[in-house]
Amino acid sequence: EIVLTQSPGTLSLSPGERATLSCRASQSVSSSYLAWYQQKPGQAPRLLIYVTSSRATGIPDRFTGSGSGTDFTLTISRLEPEDFAVYYCQQYGSSPPYTFGQGTKLEIK
Amino acid sequence: EVQLVQSGAEVKKPGESLKISCKGSGYSFSNQWIGWVRQMPGKGLEWMGIIYPGDSDTRYSPSFQGQVTISADKSISTAYLQWSSLKASDTAMYYCARGDPFDLWGQGTLVTVSS
Repeated sequence: EIVLTQSPGTLSLSPGERATLSCRASQSVSSSYLAWYQQKPGQAPRLLIYVTSSRATGIPDRFTGSGSGTDFTLTISRLEPEDFAVYYCQQYGSSPPYTFGQGTKLEIK
Repeated sequence: EVQLVQSGAEVKKPGESLKISCKGSGYSFSNQWIGWVRQMPGKGLEWMGIIYPGDSDTRYSPSFQGQVTISADKSISTAYLQWSSLKASDTAMYYCARGDPFDLWGQGTLVTVSS
C-alpha cells in the first residue's frame, strides 16, 4: 500500500500570495496517476487535478500540478478568498487501495 | 444532470445492520467505477473500496475488507455500502464518488452509531 504524506499540515497565507503544497509517496506512483482534491467545510471534495498536472473541468488556471515518481506539488499562483480549504492528494496508479494523503489545511493569515 | 445522490442520514445502535445507497444519473452508470470514502469527524479522507457496476468487480482497502460490503445494482444505477454489525467507530460521513480518479461526488451520508 502506498502511503502519501502531505506537507505542511497547515499553511497560513494571505489572498494574492502563492501557495505550494507537497505530497510525497512512499513508493513511485504508477503512470503519474496522482490527483488533488479541494474540500470546503460541509461540502464533498472536488477534483482539481488528475494525472499529476491535468486540470479537471472548470478548474481555474491558477491551480497547477507538477511532479513525478514520489514527489508531487500543487501550486496555487494567486490565492483567492474561495481557495482557503483543505487539500488532499490521492494516488490511483497502482493496485488498490487508492490512498489519500492526510490533507493540508490552507488558512487565511 | 450528471449526479450522484446518496441516501439520507442514519442514526443506529451498535450491533445493528445498515445499507446506504448512491444513485447515479445522467451518465452510463455501468461503465464507470464507483467508490466509497469515509471521513470521520474532523478527520481526513479514507479510501474504502470501489466497484465496477458493469460486472460487479469489487476491490477493498485492507483496512475495510471484511468490515463492510460494497455492491451495486446496475439495473437501477445504484451502488451500496453495508454493514452487518455497526460499531460506534463507524460514525462518520460516507461519500460515494465516480471514476478513477473521483470526478463526481455524492453529497455524503452521515452515519451516527450510538447507544
